[in-house]
Amino acid sequence: AQSVTQLGSHVSVSEGALVLLRCNYSSSVPPYLFWYVQYPNQGLQLLLKYTSAATLVKGINGFEAEFKKSETSFHLTKPSAHMSDAAEYFCAVSVVGANSKLTFGKGITLSVRP
Amino acid sequence: DSGVTQTPKHLITATGQRVTLRCSPRSGDLSVYWYQQSLDQGLQFLIQYYNGEERAKGNILERFSAQQFPDLHSELNLSSLELGDSALYFCASSVVASGGAGEQFFGPGTRLTVL
Repeated sequence: AQSVTQLGSHVSVSEGALVLLRCNYSSSVPPYLFWYVQYPNQGLQLLLKYTSAATLVKGINGFEAEFKKSETSFHLTKPSAHMSDAAEYFCAVSVVGANSKLTFGKGITLSVRP
Repeated sequence: DSGVTQTPKHLITATGQRVTLRCSPRSGDLSVYWYQQSLDQGLQFLIQYYNGEERAKGNILERFSAQQFPDLHSELNLSSLELGDSALYFCASSVVASGGAGEQFFGPGTRLTVL
C-alpha cells in the first residue's frame, strides 16, 4: 500500500519569500505524485503532477516540484510567495493498478505574511 | 470551476437519519470517486465507480453506499448517521478508470453536519 507524509501542519512565510512544502511518499511500485491546493470553502485544484516523465515538474501559479526517488520525496516549491498562495496544500500518490484512487497526506496550511 | 457539481452544498441532519449526496461528473468523464475530509482523518478515499460499475473500495463504512447511474451521475447514501460522520464529502471525476496518472477533478464538496 502507498502512503504520503507531510511533516508539519502549518508553514508561514513572508510575501516574496521562498515557499517549500515537504512531501515524502512510500510505495512498493513506481508512483504517480500530485500536489493539490484547497482554498477556503472550495474543492481541490491540481497544481502539478509527476507521471514518470521529467523529474522536475512545473505547475500552475509558479509552483514546481522535483521527484527524487532516492529520497522518496516530492517537495513543492515556489521562488516568491504571494498573498494569494495562502491555502491548504495536499500531496497525494497513486499507482498503476486496478484503480487510480488517490492517497492523500494530512495537508499543510500555508500562511503568507505581508 | 472544475466542471464537477455536487448538491447540496450544506446538509444538517440528526443522528440516526439517512441522507443522499449527489454528484455530476465533468462531461465525458466516466469515473467518479468519493472522498471524505474530516479534521481527524484527513482526506480519505471512499469508493470509485467507472461507467456504472464499482471499481474500487476504500475506507467506506457499511452504513454508506454509492451508485452510479446510466447518465453517469453518482449518489452517496449515508445511513444511521453518527456525530462522527460530520465531514466534507468530495466527489471527483476523471476520464480513466485505472492507470493512476489521470487527473481527478474535484467538486466543491458537500458539508455534512450531524447534530
